[in-house]
Amino acid sequence: EIVLTQSPGTLSLSPGERATLSCRASQSVSSSYLAWYQQKPGQAPRLLIYGASSRATGIPDRFSGSGSGTDFTLTISRLEPEDFAVYYCQQYGSSPRTFTFGPGTKVDIK
Amino acid sequence: EVQLVQSGAEVKKPGESLKISCKGSGYSFTSYWIGWVRQMPGKGLEWMGIIYPGDSDTRYSPSFQGQVTISADKSISTAYLQWSSLKASDTAMYYCARLTPVSELELFDYWGQGTLVTVSS
Repeated sequence: EIVLTQSPGTLSLSPGERATLSCRASQSVSSSYLAWYQQKPGQAPRLLIYGASSRATGIPDRFSGSGSGTDFTLTISRLEPEDFAVYYCQQYGSSPRTFTFGPGTKVDIK
Repeated sequence: EVQLVQSGAEVKKPGESLKISCKGSGYSFTSYWIGWVRQMPGKGLEWMGIIYPGDSDTRYSPSFQGQVTISADKSISTAYLQWSSLKASDTAMYYCARLTPVSELELFDYWGQGTLVTVSS
């Protein structure tokens, strides 16, 4: 079973700053099988990035994903007020099918 | 417009049974898997299981196998998550989400609004 670890647990930044979030897998993951979700307080999660680097429909280009193997990164180039939220990485396993989430990184306002 | 609308909040006592629902609209409900995700208070997301409403093929996360039952009624485009005997530790927000294949991957692309289940004596 692959375990995902996210760091830091909380990231305190100001609007306009760059956010770099890390997701590390306990064993190598195909980059095709890594996604990122955003969850704002009181809301359901929203798909942001899939295949490690492809943005979902309607996601602004200040969000970008990268990485391979066991280390993946979500970058928000310039934080907007609406970006303060919790971000989860998720790994898809095809056989058997599994959908493992990381513990999340909270991005809050400094 | 794709929508998943979940049933309302529930307050139950330990030992009681419960069935919550997730109604899909705006797409072919029988052609996409639906997943259930648990979020305990202040915690992260945990995948519970998935169901294909077309034929009710169901897969469970090992962590939830035997703890819950996932079902669907395709005639009314609704998926269900049920418990036969609730515990206080089942207190959580439960989300349903549509699973969409994209290339080699399957993604939760549309989510319900969540159903808050509170179990307390």
